[in-house]
Amino acid sequence: AQSVTQLGSHVSVSEGALVLLRCNYSSSVPPYLFWYVQYPNQGLQLLLKYTSAATLVKGINGFEAEFKKSETSFHLTKPSAHMSDAAEYFCAVSRPGGSYIPTFGRGTSLIVHP
Amino acid sequence: DTGVSQNPRHKITKRGQNVTFRCDPISEHNRLYWYRQTLGQGPEFLTYFQNEAQLEKSRLLSDRFSAERPKGSFSTLEIQRTEQGDSAMYLCASSLYASGGAETQYFGPGTRLLVL
Repeated sequence: AQSVTQLGSHVSVSEGALVLLRCNYSSSVPPYLFWYVQYPNQGLQLLLKYTSAATLVKGINGFEAEFKKSETSFHLTKPSAHMSDAAEYFCAVSRPGGSYIPTFGRGTSLIVHP
Repeated sequence: DTGVSQNPRHKITKRGQNVTFRCDPISEHNRLYWYRQTLGQGPEFLTYFQNEAQLEKSRLLSDRFSAERPKGSFSTLEIQRTEQGDSAMYLCASSLYASGGAETQYFGPGTRLLVL
């Protein structure tokens, strides 16, 4: 079984401040982990993914995430928030193998204040 | 490559009616996934295809839900006898699966269903 917990349904930051979105996972096997972003009335777009290579993963739009096995975490960060980062962010976990079916977290809404 | 497209983008129907949604994946992608997303939740997996074969359908929400991908290209999701609880966003995603790789799913914009 696999699951994802995203801590905080809403995160509010000021423009230029650090963004930290938290994700903890549970998986019976070494997982694949993903962060997606969803803008209003749009589908999900992949920001980055971890597939058991480097533990620090860099993605698009200046985001990165670090896989920490000891903490079962995969938190998403960005050094400086921009107004255009305001969106819904989803963490997802899947298991390597043929039946790739990801489990998504409930999402975190990022609010960026000017 | 025009991305994953879904039609219609919005659908309003009355309870008890049947609805069908279409998904056109990225042309070279062999896998196609359907998800449901309700307000305040992440996408919930429903079913997926590899080419024309439906490899997992046990997570379709009820026997009122069915999906097809007849020629391994576009797919349809049908909901029969709709209920108000079916109101949600229905997302489609496609990917290029190769054994041993970590596939990336590309999502369409979704079809928003409202059942009155």
